[in-house]
Amino acid sequence: NAGVTQTPKFQVLKTGQSMTLQCAQDMNHNSMYWYRQDPGMGLRLIYYSASEGTTDKGEVPNGYNVSRLNKREFSLRLESAAPSQTSVYFCASMRVVNTEAFFGQGTRLTVV
Amino acid sequence: GQQLNQSPQSMFIQEGEDVSMNCTSSSIFNTWLWYKQDPGEGPVLLIALYKAGELTSNGRLTAQFGITRKDSFLNISASIPSDVGIYFCAGRRSQGNLIFGKGTKLSVKP
Repeated sequence: NAGVTQTPKFQVLKTGQSMTLQCAQDMNHNSMYWYRQDPGMGLRLIYYSASEGTTDKGEVPNGYNVSRLNKREFSLRLESAAPSQTSVYFCASMRVVNTEAFFGQGTRLTVV
Repeated sequence: GQQLNQSPQSMFIQEGEDVSMNCTSSSIFNTWLWYKQDPGEGPVLLIALYKAGELTSNGRLTAQFGITRKDSFLNISASIPSDVGIYFCAGRRSQGNLIFGKGTKLSVKP
């Protein structure tokens, strides 16, 4: 069982570059989430998709966009990366919104 | 912003010791979840609580949903070296998304 798969695992970007973080889940969950984790800050919600075809902002959405490509896949895009976006990004899925979250292994992003 | 207070922020354990940590909120929560995160990995769900007063165990781990619905506790009995990591609580009110605490980091006593 793969669960939640994120790619890439590591990435270094220059300021101003763009990139897309990919996430896929094979648990047939309806809801998918993107979080960022910074030292001493815990997990903060960037965007979520309660169900296929919908997306909503979370606590810290500025500088990000998302796409719910289908039920399995939910991508996070940084259009113009900034050093403040250096973080570890986690994708999570839930059977339905706000039940138990299952996390991927994370993408460690450094913006220089 | 964050509305959960998780304590302690960090603690050192010696093998065999019991460990306790808790999360508190000024708001009433309907759900409490406890996660563990190992270095370089994503958080893994340990215990889910859905009812005030509920006491649930998972091996040596026991978690409780506080009667006031504003707190939750996690206890680890007879700790072993592989218990080290960061433990997160997460709570959900009647409306809104899961909110995560800032974590309790468990390390081995030098």
